[in-house]
Amino acid sequence: EPEVTQTPSHQVTQMGQEVILRCVPISNHLYFYWYRQILGQKVEFLVSFYNNEISEKSEIFDDQFSVERPDGSNFTLKIRSTKLEDSAMYFCASGYLAEETQYFGPGTRLLVL
Amino acid sequence: SQQGEEDPQALSIQEGENATMNCSYKTSINNLQWYRQNSGRGLVHLILIRSNEREKHSGRLRVTLDTSKKSSSLLITASRAADTASYFCATGGNNRLAFGKGNQVVVIP
Repeated sequence: EPEVTQTPSHQVTQMGQEVILRCVPISNHLYFYWYRQILGQKVEFLVSFYNNEISEKSEIFDDQFSVERPDGSNFTLKIRSTKLEDSAMYFCASGYLAEETQYFGPGTRLLVL
Repeated sequence: SQQGEEDPQALSIQEGENATMNCSYKTSINNLQWYRQNSGRGLVHLILIRSNEREKHSGRLRVTLDTSKKSSSLLITASRAADTASYFCATGGNNRLAFGKGNQVVVIP
């Protein structure tokens, strides 16, 4: 069964450094998403992406964040200058139709020191 | 904004018993989805119920949706130890999911 994959599974970085989180969505899906979950808190929406552009973003997704689909398979989340409060589990998700089931990857646990 | 909110309860049940958890939300929705998360791992989609549906079944799962009360319930029948996890409801709309805080379910063998 096809699944969303994410790399790396864990990332430790120093505050102020740039990180790129990578995702390979399910191959025929058209809608792509990033969410994050700070330890012990809710899963929070960051951004949705369709047709090579951002379709929705939350207040969390400020200028430090960007997303890109550089080729036909990868979907990346870049954090330009990480802060301590960016430490969280980051989930990628994809879906074939808008407003339908979203399939989540296993997550990347980011720790900013 | 839309927001799923589960009843903030932690359930501890014996294997074979049923587990019920509830979710409420605040605004109109297109659909409501339930996900499971095993400790520290990814979210697994369980079931989606659309705003024009009242009940849906999938295997041992039964989901109800009451749009007049803005609430949903998830019933897991004949629970197994492998059902031990956190369960989240998420409301869909505006091309995003809004998750609740999650219910921790422990099934004792």
